[in-house]
Amino acid sequence: AQSVTQPDIHITVSEGASLELRCNYSYGATPYLFWYVQSPGQGLQLLLKYFSGDTLVQGIKGFEAEFKRSQSSFNLRKPSVHWSDAAEYFCAVVTPGFQKLVFGTGTRLLVSP
Amino acid sequence: DADVTQTPRNRITKTGKRIMLECSQTKGHDRMYWYRQDPGLGLRLIYYSFDVKDINKGEISDGYSVSRQAQAKFSLSLESAIPNQTALYFCATKGQGDTGELFFGEGSRLTVL
Repeated sequence: AQSVTQPDIHITVSEGASLELRCNYSYGATPYLFWYVQSPGQGLQLLLKYFSGDTLVQGIKGFEAEFKRSQSSFNLRKPSVHWSDAAEYFCAVVTPGFQKLVFGTGTRLLVSP
Repeated sequence: DADVTQTPRNRITKTGKRIMLECSQTKGHDRMYWYRQDPGLGLRLIYYSFDVKDINKGEISDGYSVSRQAQAKFSLSLESAIPNQTALYFCATKGQGDTGELFFGEGSRLTVL
């Protein structure tokens, strides 16, 4: 079955520093992968998605992610973190036939001054 | 107005009570989902529906039921609430032709005492 692992429960980054959030997936075929962000008190918003083609995908709010098949990873990055990026981030993979999304357990990002 | 609206946003109830969480959408999407979010566990799928005549169990459907009253409405019921159903519940929608992106409501926080 498809699954997603986010090994970091919490990450603290200084404002202006770079960020990388890790995501590993388990999937038999070419995966369709997503990153969502959940700001406090809000629902989830799509940051970016990978289906095929260029393995480096750009998203909203200055985020990008790189798909690495050899490492079964889809890590999220941002060159310079802003205080408003403090939120919880979820990686997800879609099941065959695009029926449903399977989410990771999430990584909470804290931004220090 | 939000595209995906959940009511109530917050609810406190007692063990054994029947609770209904409602979701309505204006996106015209066929597919609707109910997820539950718990700290450290991410989002887990409770039920999903591809149209008014199609209801499917997710990974944690025990203790829950759903009703798809119309294309735009999808309700989640707890027939006899118990404390371990205390969680944040999200409704989400997806278009049939889309490649996986879900659109989320802002969540319904349920506390069972």
